[in-house]
Amino acid sequence: AQTVTQSQPEMSVQEAETVTLSCTYDTSENNYYLFWYKQPPSRQMILVIRQEAYKQQNATENRFSVNFQKAAKSFSLKISDSQLGDTAMYFCAFRPPDGAGSYQLTFGKGTKLSVIP
Amino acid sequence: NAGVTQTPKFQVLKTGQSMTLQCAQDMNHEYMSWYRQDPGMGLRLIHYSVGAGITDQGEVPNGYNVSRSTTEDFPLRLLSAAPSQTSVYFCASSYVRGWYEQYFGPGTRLTVT
Repeated sequence: AQTVTQSQPEMSVQEAETVTLSCTYDTSENNYYLFWYKQPPSRQMILVIRQEAYKQQNATENRFSVNFQKAAKSFSLKISDSQLGDTAMYFCAFRPPDGAGSYQLTFGKGTKLSVIP
Repeated sequence: NAGVTQTPKFQVLKTGQSMTLQCAQDMNHEYMSWYRQDPGMGLRLIHYSVGAGITDQGEVPNGYNVSRSTTEDFPLRLLSAAPSQTSVYFCASSYVRGWYEQYFGPGTRLTVT
């Protein structure tokens, strides 16, 4: 079974600064998918960014980027130019490759990020 | 296109009562699932389905029942509510292949007294 570990339960960052949230995972698979979800106080789960393991290039979405280190099984999220609206819980999630029973997401326990004005 | 809808948004039950949480999606997704979210625990999978008539257990299935009679709907039944089932419940759906994201409903906050 896969496990996902987020070692930082809480973090804070000054507005306009950069912050990095860490995520490590354990799997024996070679191809898989990784996701970062954001959960603001509204409770809605929102996809921030995703990465396919077979792609070497790190994914980017505007101010959000990842540092994907496949050998180290690490998938950190970098938020640049932090904004007050980035205040939320952030969850890292792992999905196995296509195949029987492979649709399930395994989530980390989350990192609560506070952006300070 | 409403995405994933859940009803109710809030519910209070007494121990021993039963109820059904409703979930529907209009994206023709094969995969649907139920998670519960508890403080410090992240999201844990309760049950999932890969198509009408096909369901399976996730990580924490005890005390819950599901069925999938149509592609669109995936209700979650609490057979005899217990205080340990106090949680926020999320329904999610996706395609079964590729890197498609799971779309989440707005959640149901359930309190069992």
